[in-house]
Amino acid sequence: GAGVSQSPSNKVTEKGKDVELRCDPISGHTALYWYRQSLGQGLEFLIYFQGNSAPDKSGLPSDRFSAERTGGSVSTLTIQRTQQEDSAVYLCASSLVTGRGNEQFFGPGTRLTVL
Amino acid sequence: RKEVEQDPGPFNVPEGATVAFNCTYSNSASQSFFWYRQDCRKEPKLLMSVYSSGNEDGRFTAQLNRASQYISLLIRDSKLSDSATYLCVVNRGGTYKYIFGTGTRLKVLA
Repeated sequence: GAGVSQSPSNKVTEKGKDVELRCDPISGHTALYWYRQSLGQGLEFLIYFQGNSAPDKSGLPSDRFSAERTGGSVSTLTIQRTQQEDSAVYLCASSLVTGRGNEQFFGPGTRLTVL
Repeated sequence: RKEVEQDPGPFNVPEGATVAFNCTYSNSASQSFFWYRQDCRKEPKLLMSVYSSGNEDGRFTAQLNRASQYISLLIRDSKLSDSATYLCVVNRGGTYKYIFGTGTRLKVLA
């Protein structure tokens, strides 16, 4: 079946512009995560959606970052007034919620470059 | 102290060698543990979950030591294709938030 898809795969933008990154999770997966990975760094948790529960936004680095998940499926991560330090690969993952912990299936990521 | 710590490496080993990585975690309430593999400029993919009793999948063995708060990954008979970054992942106890280590880089040499 189809895996997690993300678009665009690459985005180059100018400092100060807004960007929207999209994630299509695996059908039926109720949990959705956004992470950020800077060059040579580990994955930094940004936000987590689970079903109809309020999202866990504790990882969002500033109020310029926001995310939505519509209809329990597609998610959009929006970065307003982008800064050069926002340049990174933004990864989306989805998972089923099980009792033994959740395997996360990752999308290929969106590589964001802020000039 | 980071919540999840790994030796960044690189570990350079010849083909056929056995290599082991450790990962320490600070939150004693953590309940779920995983090893993910990440190839250069690719997304992470699950290698294996880590269970309390330890588990094996072919050439790969994972162990959990709750008392000392670390997990380990042993790779036997290393292949060139094992060259990658291995990410330790631990959930923050009582939540579905997963903390990723920065990864250990492995290079298997011909």
